[in-house]
Amino acid sequence: AQKITQTQPGMFVQEKEAVTLDCTYDTSDQSYGLFWYKQPSSGEMIFLIYQGSYDEQNATEGRYSLNFQKARKSANLVISASQLGDSAMYFCAMRGSTSYGKLTFGQGTILTVHP
Amino acid sequence: DTGVSQDPRHKITKRGQNVTFRCDPISEHNRLYWYRQTLGQGPEFLTYFQNEAQLEKSRLLSDRFSAERPKGSFSTLEIQRTEQGDSAMYLCASSSPPGRVTYEQYFGPGTRLTVT
Repeated sequence: AQKITQTQPGMFVQEKEAVTLDCTYDTSDQSYGLFWYKQPSSGEMIFLIYQGSYDEQNATEGRYSLNFQKARKSANLVISASQLGDSAMYFCAMRGSTSYGKLTFGQGTILTVHP
Repeated sequence: DTGVSQDPRHKITKRGQNVTFRCDPISEHNRLYWYRQTLGQGPEFLTYFQNEAQLEKSRLLSDRFSAERPKGSFSTLEIQRTEQGDSAMYLCASSSPPGRVTYEQYFGPGTRLTVT
């Protein structure tokens, strides 16, 4: 079984600054994938970034990077140069190797970007 | 590529009524997932289809819930004898066949169910 923990219910950041959203995970699988999704107030889940458990380099996608520390079982999302449109709920999720690709989500972190 | 679509976007029903939701995945995706999301929580897995076969169901999916994916295209999720605890956002997602490294899931806009 997989478990995702996001310990920050809410985070605030000033526009143009960087912010880190925390995510820790627990799994007995050797092979797994970690995802971050953004959910604006409209409700749709938007895929941001993926990290495979065997990937040696941290994933990056534009302003998003994933700080993957396998030994600590953490997969923090870093958003650089925050924009007002980044205000949303952010979910960390995991896909194990023994399921059919289903995702296990954390509780989410609400990010508010101040002008 | 028009994305994943879901219908209806909102549904208000009285307790005890049956409701049915529809999901149209991205056309070339053979994997389809249903999730349920209650207020302030992350989505929870309900069921998974690969083509037309329902390969996995969560224990969350009680006997009142049934899902189908005839012909491996669109999918329906039916809830019989709705209860107030069924009030939630029901999300559908699809992903590409194996071969892509990430096969990330693409989500639809969801159907928000309110049971009064």
